[in-house]
Amino acid sequence: KQEVTQIPAALSVPEGENLVLNCSFTDSAIYNLQWFRQDPGKGLTSLLLIQSSQREQTSGRLNASLDKSSGRSTLYIAASQPGDSATYLCAVSTRPGNGNQFYFGTGTSLTVIP
Amino acid sequence: EPEVTQTPSHQVTQMGQEVILRCVPISNHLYFYWYRQILGQKVEFLVSFYNNEISEKSEIFDDQFSVERPDGSNFTLKIRSTKLEDSAMYFCASSLGTDTQYFGPGTRLTVL
Repeated sequence: KQEVTQIPAALSVPEGENLVLNCSFTDSAIYNLQWFRQDPGKGLTSLLLIQSSQREQTSGRLNASLDKSSGRSTLYIAASQPGDSATYLCAVSTRPGNGNQFYFGTGTSLTVIP
Repeated sequence: EPEVTQTPSHQVTQMGQEVILRCVPISNHLYFYWYRQILGQKVEFLVSFYNNEISEKSEIFDDQFSVERPDGSNFTLKIRSTKLEDSAMYFCASSLGTDTQYFGPGTRLTVL
């Protein structure tokens, strides 16, 4: 069974700092990987999706990379802002077909201090 | 921008009662999902639904759970006889293909 781990569990940084969140998974035969943010008591907002054939994806100040062979992904956030404070979740799916079953990590809780 | 909606936002029920959680996926999406998140734990996959049938389900999705797409817009999750351990946030998601999944805001289910 696919296991997804995220390190660190919590991170606190001053505003303006660049930061990296880490995600690792045990089964490298993934179909795609998706990064989400979750605000307290709220749903999940999709940030970036990386297909297994891709190495990275960028959206604004966010850059996600994927190294399938080593079972790792990173989410890079540039010039962090207080509004970036949230829990960031990594999820991987292991097979295509009629619907992807995503396996989630426990998340990294990010606090950006003004 | 289209979004997934869920009702109710919070449902309180007595143990043993049936509950139905409702979702309206994004209109042109073809794949539908239910996930749950017990407080303080990981988001867990329950079931995926495509072409009017279940395509995958997890070991959590036992006989007390069922899903239905009763019309062209709604997607429901029914729990027949709720247990205390069913208390969780339930998320509905949809996708156009086997790619980006868009999540609703969730329904918090509290079983007393």
